[in-house]
Amino acid sequence: AQSVTQPDIHITVSEGASLELRCNYSYGATPYLFWYVQSPGQGLQLLLKYFSGDTLVQGIKGFEAEFKRSQSSFNLRKPSVHWSDAAEYFCAVAPYGGSQGNLIFGKGTKLSVKP
Amino acid sequence: EPEVTQTPSHQVTQMGQEVILRCVPISNHLYFYWYRQILGQKVEFLVSFYNNEISEKSEIFDDQFSVERPDGSNFTLKIRSTKLEDSAMYFCASSEPPGFSEKLFFGSGTQLSVL
Repeated sequence: AQSVTQPDIHITVSEGASLELRCNYSYGATPYLFWYVQSPGQGLQLLLKYFSGDTLVQGIKGFEAEFKRSQSSFNLRKPSVHWSDAAEYFCAVAPYGGSQGNLIFGKGTKLSVKP
Repeated sequence: EPEVTQTPSHQVTQMGQEVILRCVPISNHLYFYWYRQILGQKVEFLVSFYNNEISEKSEIFDDQFSVERPDGSNFTLKIRSTKLEDSAMYFCASSEPPGFSEKLFFGSGTQLSVL
């Protein structure tokens, strides 16, 4: 069965430091891959997605993610974190060629940013 | 940016009672979804809805659940006889027709507490 693993439940970084959030997936073929962010009291907002092509994907708010097929990973990165980036981040997959609305989410990584 | 609106933000109900969670999707969207997140667990897909019928549903979406688009703007999730384990955050989402540029817009959720 398809699954998504986010091994880090909670990460704390200093403002201005770089960030990498890990995501691994288990799926028979290359799925569609997504990163969502949820700020307190807000809905899930799409940061970026990978369907095919260039394995380094640029998203909103200065985030990027790299798809590595050999590692079944889709890690999210940001070179310099801002205090407003404190939120919960969810990695998700959708079956290739299937409904992009039936997303399988990871458990999320909560990001705290210290001054 | 357009928003998906969910009401109420928090609903408390007694076990065995019926609840209706309401959502107003983005006006030109055609696909609608419900997801839920039990505290500490993953965001889980419940159901997708298109053209006034369910297009896909998960194992969670049993006979206790139903969805409806009663008018041109609202999309509702009904739980007929709530159980304690139905306590969760319920997210509504909507999207344009599937395609490379399609993305889900999520509401900020309704926290359902079943006592």
